[in-house]
Amino acid sequence: ETGVTQSPTHLIKTRGQQVTLRCSSQSGHNTVSWYQQALGQGPQFIFQYYREEENGRGNFPPRFSGLQFPNYSSELNVNALELDDSALYLCASSLNRGSGNTIYFGEGSWLTVV
Amino acid sequence: GENVEQHPSTLSVQEGDSAVIKCTYSDSASNYFPWYKQELGKRPQLIIDIRSNVGEKKDQRIAVTLNKTAKHFSLHITETQPEDSAVYFCAASSTGGYQKVTFGTGTKLQVIP
Repeated sequence: ETGVTQSPTHLIKTRGQQVTLRCSSQSGHNTVSWYQQALGQGPQFIFQYYREEENGRGNFPPRFSGLQFPNYSSELNVNALELDDSALYLCASSLNRGSGNTIYFGEGSWLTVV
Repeated sequence: GENVEQHPSTLSVQEGDSAVIKCTYSDSASNYFPWYKQELGKRPQLIIDIRSNVGEKKDQRIAVTLNKTAKHFSLHITETQPEDSAVYFCAASSTGGYQKVTFGTGTKLQVIP
């Protein structure tokens, strides 16, 4: 167990809909990052939140957005869902925002877009 | 940006043999290299990591080596067991004000009893 919890674990959405995924970080960790893992591929970095602000982003369009709350929990929002958004969405927390910090993944949220 | 290549994509070994997975990275400024094991339908689990100021690290049957000059790093699993069967990902973390971890494409390891 990493202490990182995510919800929901599985969900099905229709193309064009919006989805919100939630994450609670490990106790004491102030940094949360989100990754997308398509079937058969490695996780891809979406963005990172530190002290309630996005401070790093990968190659994902603006319809992928997020929030971090004062208790360091986080949300990932995806608008205008596309079929290719079907994937495992992983939340990871770390002690701090910089490179070299170990990241711990939650169990993930499986999103299917039909 | 960082690019991580991983080989082989699949690896079958007999129980008790050793397994080696190799990765290369492109960004010479990367300074942190974790390895993750992912079982089917589960999250990636950190099994070992190494930082750029160290050339080798060992934890029981698992070892990782890093060659900064060649930008290579490798995972070595000795005395493999059936429960080692999984997909293994190498990764590299770039320097900067945030933690972006770039993953390799994964190696599916099968340990044959």
